[in-house]
Amino acid sequence: AQSVTQPDIHITVSEGASLELRCNYSYGATPYLFWYVQSPGQGLQLLLKYFSGDTLVQGIKGFEAEFKRSQSSFNLRKPSVHWSDAAEYFCAVGAKTGSWGKLQFGAGTQVVVTP
Amino acid sequence: DGGITQSPKYLFRKEGQNVTLSCEQNLNHDAMYWYRQDPGQGLRLIYYSQIVNDFQKGDIAEGYSVSREKKESFPLTVTSAQKNPTAFYLCASRGGTGDSNYGYTFGSGTRLTVV
Repeated sequence: AQSVTQPDIHITVSEGASLELRCNYSYGATPYLFWYVQSPGQGLQLLLKYFSGDTLVQGIKGFEAEFKRSQSSFNLRKPSVHWSDAAEYFCAVGAKTGSWGKLQFGAGTQVVVTP
Repeated sequence: DGGITQSPKYLFRKEGQNVTLSCEQNLNHDAMYWYRQDPGQGLRLIYYSQIVNDFQKGDIAEGYSVSREKKESFPLTVTSAQKNPTAFYLCASRGGTGDSNYGYTFGSGTRLTVV
């Protein structure tokens, strides 16, 4: 069964600084990988997704993520953080076949942005 | 605009009472999902449905029930058998098969509190 680990529960970053959120997955083959963002009391919004091909994926709001098969990782990055990036971020993994499109989510990383 | 509508936004349940959370989508999506979100635990799958009149249990289905009588609607009932129902509930949908459709669209959630 697939699983997702987000090692950092909480990250504090200064506005304008770079941000990297870690995600490690466990799956027997190449999975589908996703990053979502959630503002307080809201649903989740898709930032980006990886299916195949180029391992560096560009998303919305200036985010990017890199798939590293050897490390089973899919880390999210942003070069310069804005105050509006304060939110909770979720990594998710899905199997390419036989899973009815179900996604497994990590526990989330809360990002706080300081002035 | 197409999207997923969850109602109500806030819901209060008395002990021993059943309550139903509404989820409606106008995206013409085939698959729909219910997740429960608790602090520090990410999202856990309750039920999912691939087509009308068919649904499957997720990881934490006990104490919950669903129906899928229409493609657009996937209501979730939290029964009195669910001993700890206080949580944030998220409904999601997904289009058909194929890489471009993989990944969810989320509603804005319903916060259920036992009083």
